[in-house]
Amino acid sequence: SQTIHQWPATLVQPVGSPLSLECTVEGTSNPNLYWYRQAAGRGLQLLFYSIGIDQISSEVPQNLSASRPQDRQFILSSKKLLLSDSGFYLCAWNRGLNTEAFFGQGTRLTVV
Amino acid sequence: AQTVTQSQPEMSVQEAETVTLSCTYDTSENNYYLFWYKQPPSRQMILVIRQEAYKQQNATENRFSVNFQKAAKSFSLKISDSQLGDTAMYFCAFKGAQKLVFGQGTRLTINP
Repeated sequence: SQTIHQWPATLVQPVGSPLSLECTVEGTSNPNLYWYRQAAGRGLQLLFYSIGIDQISSEVPQNLSASRPQDRQFILSSKKLLLSDSGFYLCAWNRGLNTEAFFGQGTRLTVV
Repeated sequence: AQTVTQSQPEMSVQEAETVTLSCTYDTSENNYYLFWYKQPPSRQMILVIRQEAYKQQNATENRFSVNFQKAAKSFSLKISDSQLGDTAMYFCAFKGAQKLVFGQGTRLTINP
């Protein structure tokens, strides 16, 4: 069966520090991968999506970046965090057009 | 670009009542899927119902049904006989050839 792992679950980082959030998918190949950010009580903002290992699209200009070093691994990074980067980050995957998306458990990031 | 709009930030109904959540979207694609997801306080994303754009018949899953109006680009969710466990954030989502895009969400509260 397919599973998705996202870590860490909680992270407190000082302003200006780097960030690395990891997401891995098991039990499938060539998934579509997504990173979303959710501010408190708000909607899901699409940050990055990837339909293949060398294909990553950025939706919102910001100081975050994404990489896909392996087919089923998606990493969200920042060189220097800002206070405004605080939020709840969700990784998700699906296959093809019609399948539902499966989500990781999320990472609550607090930049202090 | 695809956009999804949920115009009701919050809704509140009494238990056993019927409630309808609104969603509109914008796209130039012809083949796509629409979804409703539920996010309870645990923040886990749970698929409620899905609709294929080329199917005229509205999808139904037990107490949940949709009213899909393709020409109007409207995709509302009806919850019948609402239960306390239906209290959650509800997100409308659009999946085209590549991206999975979510609306801003509607916070639904079912009162006893």
